[in-house]
Amino acid sequence: AQKITQTQPGMFVQEKEAVTLDCTYDTSDPSYGLFWYKQPSSGEMIFLIYQGSYDQQNATEGRYSLNFQKARKSANLVISASQLGDSAMYFCLAGGTSYGKLTFGQGTILTVHP
Amino acid sequence: DAGITQSPRHKVTETGTPVTLRCHQTENHRYMYWYRQDPGHGLRLIHYSYGVKDTDKGEVSDGYSVSRSKTEDFLLTLESATSSQTSVYFCAIRFGTEQETQYFGPGTRLLVL
Repeated sequence: AQKITQTQPGMFVQEKEAVTLDCTYDTSDPSYGLFWYKQPSSGEMIFLIYQGSYDQQNATEGRYSLNFQKARKSANLVISASQLGDSAMYFCLAGGTSYGKLTFGQGTILTVHP
Repeated sequence: DAGITQSPRHKVTETGTPVTLRCHQTENHRYMYWYRQDPGHGLRLIHYSYGVKDTDKGEVSDGYSVSRSKTEDFLLTLESATSSQTSVYFCAIRFGTEQETQYFGPGTRLLVL
């Protein structure tokens, strides 16, 4: 079983600044994956980034990076150079079973101010 | 585009009626999932499938059944809809074997009156 905790219901950031969205997880699986998805107001779920539990380096995808601290069980998302289009709900997820079952956090609403 | 569609996209129904939602994929992926999204809960897994006729329950499966008679279609049925099943329903497919990334359909908004 897995549990994801996102402690920030809402975050605000100025355009062009960096922002960190927090995520902690709890899992008994020896091997697992951590994901971040973005959900804009239009409702679709957009995959952003993935980190495997055995990956030695933090994952990066363009302006997105995942600050993975395994001992602390945290997988924070860092968005550099925020854009107005980054305003959305962001979900942290964990998956660790062979069937790919994912557990979602409750999400963080990010608002980017001009 | 992950080649995943959902139908209908919107539906209004009455309490006690059966409802079936369809998820269709075009790329022959083995794993498919149904989630519901409610305010304050993120997405929660209802059922999933790991092959034709192979399905299993998720964390909120009560009141739902699924069927997968062919690879491309995964059906979610509400046997007797209740107001508590008013939600947005997402289907997802799993890509690849290493990253386990799931790609989501556009969602179905269901209102049970």
